[in-house]
Amino acid sequence: AQSVSQHNHHVILSEAASLELGCNYSYGGTVNLFWYVQYPGQHLQLLLKYFSGDPLVKGIKGFEAEFIKSKFSFNLRKPSVQWSDTAEYFCAVSNTGFQKLVFGTGTRLLVSP
Amino acid sequence: KAGVTQTPRYLIKTRGQQVTLSCSPISGHRSVSWYQQTPGQGLQFLFEYFSETQRNKGNFPGRFSGRQFSNSRSEMNVSTLELGDSALYLCASSSGTGVGNEQFFGPGTRLTVL
Repeated sequence: AQSVSQHNHHVILSEAASLELGCNYSYGGTVNLFWYVQYPGQHLQLLLKYFSGDPLVKGIKGFEAEFIKSKFSFNLRKPSVQWSDTAEYFCAVSNTGFQKLVFGTGTRLLVSP
Repeated sequence: KAGVTQTPRYLIKTRGQQVTLSCSPISGHRSVSWYQQTPGQGLQFLFEYFSETQRNKGNFPGRFSGRQFSNSRSEMNVSTLELGDSALYLCASSSGTGVGNEQFFGPGTRLTVL
């Protein structure tokens, strides 16, 4: 069965610090990879997605993620975080052609001003 | 374009009752998926409907069921409620076709079972 691991459950950073959130998945077939964000009081929004092609994908608000197939990883990065990035971040995977998303447990990011 | 809407937003029920949650997808989307979000288990897939047919199902008991109407709106029903069913129930819609199309999530229905 597919599974997704997010290693950091809580991350606290100061503004302007760099961010990297780890995500590993356990499926060897063709997958689609996603990062979703849930801001306080808001619903889940897509940050970025990977289907194929360039393994370095760029999303909204300056976020990017790199797909490393050999490591089954899809880590999220941002060079300089802002207070407004305080949120919960979820990594998710689906099989190509299927809608079912398998989510990681999420990482709560707190950015202090 | 209006987003995914879910009604009601909050619901309080007692054990043994049943509940029906509703989801209206983005106009033109034919796929609706349902997820349960709890602090302990995180986000878990319940089922997906596409053109009124259940296309995929997660590992939940038969008390959890759903349906989709010809206008793509979907309902989820939970019968014989248990305390552990307290959760945020999220609905997501997508076009449902093609490779890896994005799912758009609604605000959720928060169900509390007393």
